Amino acid sequence: GQNIDQPTEMTATEGAIVQINCTYQTSGFNGLFWYQQHAGEAPTFLSYNVLDGLEEKGRFSSFLSRSKGYSYLLLKELQMKDSASYLCAVMDSNYQLIWGAGTKLIIKP
Amino acid sequence: NAGVTQTPKFRVLKTGQSMTLLCAQDMNHEYMYWYRQDPGMGLRLIHYSVGEGTTAKGEVPDGYNVSRLKKQNFLLGLESAAPSQTSVYFCASGLTSGGDINEQFFGPGTRLTVL
Repeated sequence: GQNIDQPTEMTATEGAIVQINCTYQTSGFNGLFWYQQHAGEAPTFLSYNVLDGLEEKGRFSSFLSRSKGYSYLLLKELQMKDSASYLCAVMDSNYQLIWGAGTKLIIKP
Repeated sequence: NAGVTQTPKFRVLKTGQSMTLLCAQDMNHEYMYWYRQDPGMGLRLIHYSVGEGTTAKGEVPDGYNVSRLKKQNFLLGLESAAPSQTSVYFCASGLTSGGDINEQFFGPGTRLTVL
């Protein structure tokens, strides 16, 4: 079966760094996506990895290891506005996204 | 560009009533999707379309029907609403005709309550 696992909730301090992990087992692989979703809003795109390695985009970075079925999202210099859910999703061989349940990130002052 | 729009934003139905959720995109995307999102669960795919006039079932299609008569529009119908269909519904679109993989763009969501 297809499965995406990520922690349910994480807490971090403003200004700090946090790493959100995601492991996956899917039929086929056409890339891994990270989305941010604030409460009551739609998901918005953060990053896309299809090759192994680290993709950096400002304060956010995303890493992928296809052989390990593993990714992480790294958020630096945390701000209160980063409080949100972070969704990991894998695009399978049919170009469908398989979604994890999301990680709720709580930022404390 | 408006991106992806959905109507209505909120709706309350009684069990057995029917309704149609409308989704429109102006990005010339080939693929369109309908998801539902419930607390503690990931987004679940209801139905999707890979092009005008085509539709396919996703993970949780029962109780829903869809139509894609025009490339820019994707309609989700509930024929006889049930309380289990209380959820937030998101429409999304992605993939241009060139086939380049890009992110899915989401509409603002429809919050549906079935009493």
